[in-house]
Amino acid sequence: DTEVTQTPKHLVMGMTNKKSLKCEQHMGHRAMYWYKQKAKKPPELMFVYSYEKLSINESVPSRFSPECPNSSLLNLHLHALQPEDSALYLCASSQVTSETQYFGPGTRLLVL
Amino acid sequence: KQEVTQIPAALSVPEGENLVLNCSFTDSAIYNLQWFRQDPGKGLTSLLLIQSSQREQTSGRLNASLDKSSGRSTLYIAASQPGDSATYLCAVMGAGNNRKLIWGLGTSLAVNP
Repeated sequence: DTEVTQTPKHLVMGMTNKKSLKCEQHMGHRAMYWYKQKAKKPPELMFVYSYEKLSINESVPSRFSPECPNSSLLNLHLHALQPEDSALYLCASSQVTSETQYFGPGTRLLVL
Repeated sequence: KQEVTQIPAALSVPEGENLVLNCSFTDSAIYNLQWFRQDPGKGLTSLLLIQSSQREQTSGRLNASLDKSSGRSTLYIAASQPGDSATYLCAVMGAGNNRKLIWGLGTSLAVNP
């Protein structure tokens, strides 16, 4: 099973809301990633967790807060977002950080 | 700083053609190179991963080659089908400690029936 699942598929939130994105994999992968993707652009790396520890934070604003509760789960907590944060948020996982990344279908986020 | 370029940006071909997508990178000190496919509004699917020590990888109708010294990779798609229509992204992982993927902007492929 090479599936990464993400919920919700779509999310609309106001600038004062707090919401969370969830990502799950059961492939035994020890690296998990959050990416942000705007239309017609490649994914932009946000965070990398390796063995459940945050190993890369690409200078992401603090209104995005990642969490890795266990080796299968990755959350992205959202608070006080801006309209320009509207994008497709992709989660990925890999055996370790140097191996093939498997992507989830993404959460389409709209900030009003 | 590593930069990845994909040519062409867009390609439209009739069904059945064999085609080549190109990817070039500026720093040859890479750990691996990966090709992904993305359908509109969807996640990415990994197609092929080539380690820096390898010259090519094959999967079905897809063949990817790597020439590290010249900073080039090609993705060859044989006997193209309408279902191959998607954006194809090339990404390079550096050889240092920072295992980040550096992405090209992609090639948007349309295969017409």
